Amino acid sequence: SAVISQKPSRDICQRGTSLTIQCQVDSQVTMMFWYRQQPGQSLTLIATANQGSEATYESGFVIDKFPISRPNLTFSTLTVSNMSPEDSSIYLCSGARDTGELFFGEGSRLTVL
Amino acid sequence: QQQVKQSPQSLIVQKGGISIINCAYENTAFDYFPWYQQFPGKGPALLIAIRPDVSEKKEGRFTISFNKSAKQFSLHIMDSQPGDSATYFCAASSNGGGADGLTFGKGTHLIIQP
Repeated sequence: SAVISQKPSRDICQRGTSLTIQCQVDSQVTMMFWYRQQPGQSLTLIATANQGSEATYESGFVIDKFPISRPNLTFSTLTVSNMSPEDSSIYLCSGARDTGELFFGEGSRLTVL
Repeated sequence: QQQVKQSPQSLIVQKGGISIINCAYENTAFDYFPWYQQFPGKGPALLIAIRPDVSEKKEGRFTISFNKSAKQFSLHIMDSQPGDSATYFCAASSNGGGADGLTFGKGTHLIIQP
């Protein structure tokens, strides 16, 4: 499996603040994605992180709320901006290999008070 | 994203029994069907995946059965063990893999009773 490291693993934040999650993947990963998993729920794709260009967002997610960077092949960040309690969730970084297999990091558990 | 319907939502199986989880999809462009296993506090781990050129794939105690005409696929866990207790997600994507992002089912919470 691919090695995908995320940090922070968890955080408690105040309403109105922003948090940036970092993701580092191994060199065998070609595509990177960010997913959200609300407590006890399934996974929802937020966006595809494109190297050196703007991320591609899924319906319901916007760049102003979830700015994403991917400055090189193996690193990406997701920022959750102007947080509200509804943003409390697990945010998962994932990477796909050329074979199509998609691997996930351990996730960043965010609680917004 | 097109929907993937997963059932049952929860499942209790006795140790040594067979656990069966089913998924159905609508988008005929889907051509990659993975299953993920997730333990509490962990990220989902890829368990096994199938492409529509085969009807069945087996890896150890885990088997995927695929019915293209019915647009259904299922996960069978043989000789289920307490360590298999986890949440299982089916998923689907087009273009042969996860490169377009995956559409996930809602998950099945599996409990294996000793």
